[in-house]
Amino acid sequence: QKEVEQNSGPLSVPEGAIASLNCTYSDRGSQSFFWYRQYSGKSPELIMSIYSNGDKEDGRFTAQLNKASQYVSLLIRDSQPSDSATYLCAVSRYSSASKIIFGSGTRLSIRP
Amino acid sequence: GAVVSQHPSRVICKSGTSVKIECRSLDFQATTMFWYRQFPKQSLMLMATSNEGSKATYEQGVEKDKFLINHASLTLSTLTVTSAHPEDSSFYICSATRKEGLDTQYFGPGTRLTVL
Repeated sequence: QKEVEQNSGPLSVPEGAIASLNCTYSDRGSQSFFWYRQYSGKSPELIMSIYSNGDKEDGRFTAQLNKASQYVSLLIRDSQPSDSATYLCAVSRYSSASKIIFGSGTRLSIRP
Repeated sequence: GAVVSQHPSRVICKSGTSVKIECRSLDFQATTMFWYRQFPKQSLMLMATSNEGSKATYEQGVEKDKFLINHASLTLSTLTVTSAHPEDSSFYICSATRKEGLDTQYFGPGTRLTVL
């Protein structure tokens, strides 16, 4: 079992719709959770971090965390073609500087 | 804030040569820097974790004598690929965490290495 699992996609969503990206993790002791966006040929860019159960909203992005289910998701509202990228879920066991485990990423395509 | 730079952005070298890649945190002090490698259509694979003033911790399967890491200061870490071969061609990315912050990693723009 992979430590961080994501559906590789591609996930195709019409422009203006909500894109829903999911991630599960195996380490129940995980404390820090991140979503990164990576455009082709570029390095990852942090979108959201979340540390406690529930929802966290930032603009068009909402991260959701359910530690009991070991599940974290990212919702993108009003999807734009510029949101087309690979989204990486990342998990850490610690709350201080330490190793983060990345999922393999979900490729999202927003169709006009 | 939280800007990380890498130099060079792209390098092409002959097989057998050594290549040095620099990673700098421009506007913050980095407790820890990480080095990743990413092959096409694959996710980031952590190579090593680097703390200022101490030896790097390498992940299983990463040759420490081939990938030399030096973390000389709180704002600079270098990765040297020694005796590079075509199979070392990859996208090398560093990240850094703030000295006073939580676990967020800020990524550099990456270095594309091509070994001929």
